[in-house]
Amino acid sequence: QLQLQESGPGLVRPSETLSLTCTVSGDSISSLTHYWGWIRQPPGKGLEWIATIYYTGSAYYTPSLKSRVTISVDTSKNQLSLKLSSVTASDTAVYYCARLDFYSYYMDVWGKGTTVTVSS
Amino acid sequence: QTVVTQEPSFSVSPGGTVTLTCGLSSDSVSTRYFPSWYQQTPGQAARTLIYNTNTRSSGVPDRFSGSILGNKAALTITGAQADDESDYYCVLYMGSGIWVFGGGTRLTVL
Repeated sequence: QLQLQESGPGLVRPSETLSLTCTVSGDSISSLTHYWGWIRQPPGKGLEWIATIYYTGSAYYTPSLKSRVTISVDTSKNQLSLKLSSVTASDTAVYYCARLDFYSYYMDVWGKGTTVTVSS
Repeated sequence: QTVVTQEPSFSVSPGGTVTLTCGLSSDSVSTRYFPSWYQQTPGQAARTLIYNTNTRSSGVPDRFSGSILGNKAALTITGAQADDESDYYCVLYMGSGIWVFGGGTRLTVL
């Protein structure tokens, strides 16, 4: 059964870099028929797509975060990663990783999410 | 900047029918945007309901259906149940590797 498990520090200081990892089990991150991505949800707010990557390394970013975000895959570890630099309190959110269908362009499997708080 | 619009809130009576919509600030929503719909209850990850406009995800009851109504994507719940009370999000694929979420609709069943 496919499972996605996010991990990372629960607390990040302002101006530092947030680093998250998503471990994929039950599927290969080198799948030809899926993308992998990150979505976040600030407290009390809606969902926001952040970034998506194909196993080849082709990456796509939401315009508002593009200058601060890097998404990557480690095929040897079957992991997806997200780095968000120069964080502020507005980056406080639950961060979800997800698998996206390559042909129908939707999120078909979600992780449970990890909470990240930006505070000094 | 692309804005995907949804009703902020909606209410439906148990057993009733409700249609939530998903619009686009700069265009009409069509199947080429591959509209998908997600249900989220507080504190939980989202659950995929509908993809590719009108295809139900595995295990989703047939009281949930998707369509294009006029210039918007639509999610219709027929025979609403108490546990349908959730937040509902649409997502549009804009092409070139870009996805955009709508702001979400909070559905109350009462």
